Amino acid sequence: ELKVEQNPLFLSMQEGKNYTIYCNYSTTSDRLYWYRQDPGKSLESLFVLLSNGAVKQEGRLMASLDTKARLSTLHITAAVHDLSATYFCAVSWASGTYKYIFGTGTRLKVLA
Amino acid sequence: EAGVTQSPTHLIKTRGQQATLRCSPISGHTSVYWYQQALGLGLQFLLWYDEGEERNRGNFPPRFSGRQFPNYSSELNVNALELEDSALYLCASRSGGFYGYTFGSGTRLTVV
Repeated sequence: ELKVEQNPLFLSMQEGKNYTIYCNYSTTSDRLYWYRQDPGKSLESLFVLLSNGAVKQEGRLMASLDTKARLSTLHITAAVHDLSATYFCAVSWASGTYKYIFGTGTRLKVLA
Repeated sequence: EAGVTQSPTHLIKTRGQQATLRCSPISGHTSVYWYQQALGLGLQFLLWYDEGEERNRGNFPPRFSGRQFPNYSSELNVNALELEDSALYLCASRSGGFYGYTFGSGTRLTVV
C-alpha cells in the first residue's frame, strides 16, 4: 500500500527563521505536488515536481524532489506570518487513475 | 477562465438523510475527482469520473455515489448519512494532459 508521510505534523516557528518540511513516499511516482490550505479553505497549488532533482522556488518557498530517495522537501526561508497554513504533499502517476495520494499535512504556525 | 465551482458551500443534514453535492469543472476539462477531507483522516480519494463514466473509486461504501453529466459537471450523492460523513468535500478537474488538478472551494457537509 502506498504511503505518503510528512514530518513534522506541526511546526511552530519564529518569523525570520528557516525550516524544512519533509515528504517521504513508499513507492515510485511520476509526479509530486505541494499544496497550501488555509483554515476552512480549499487547496492552493504551490509546486509540481516532475523529475529527479527538480527544484522550484516561489518567494520564500522552495521545493525539491529526490526520486531515488523517494523524498521531497519544502524549504521555508525567512518565514513570515502570512505563510501560516497547512501544507500537503501528494504523489501521483501520469497514467491510470491520476489520483493523488496525499501526505498527512504539516500545520505551520509562524509567530510574529 | 472560471475555476472549478462547487455548490453548496455549506450543507447541514440529519443522520439518515441524503446529501447532494455539485461540481462544475473548468471549461474543457473532462475529468472530475472527488476527495473527502474528514477531521483526523486527511485527504482521501473518493471517486473519479471521466467522459461521463465512473472510472475509479476509493475505499468508500456504496452509499457514496455520483454521476457526471454530458457537460462534464458532476454530482456526489451520499445516502444514509452518518455522523462521520461530516467533512469538507473537494472536487477537482483536469484536462487531458496531466500537470495536476485544479481544486474547487469545497462543500462543508455537517451531519447532525
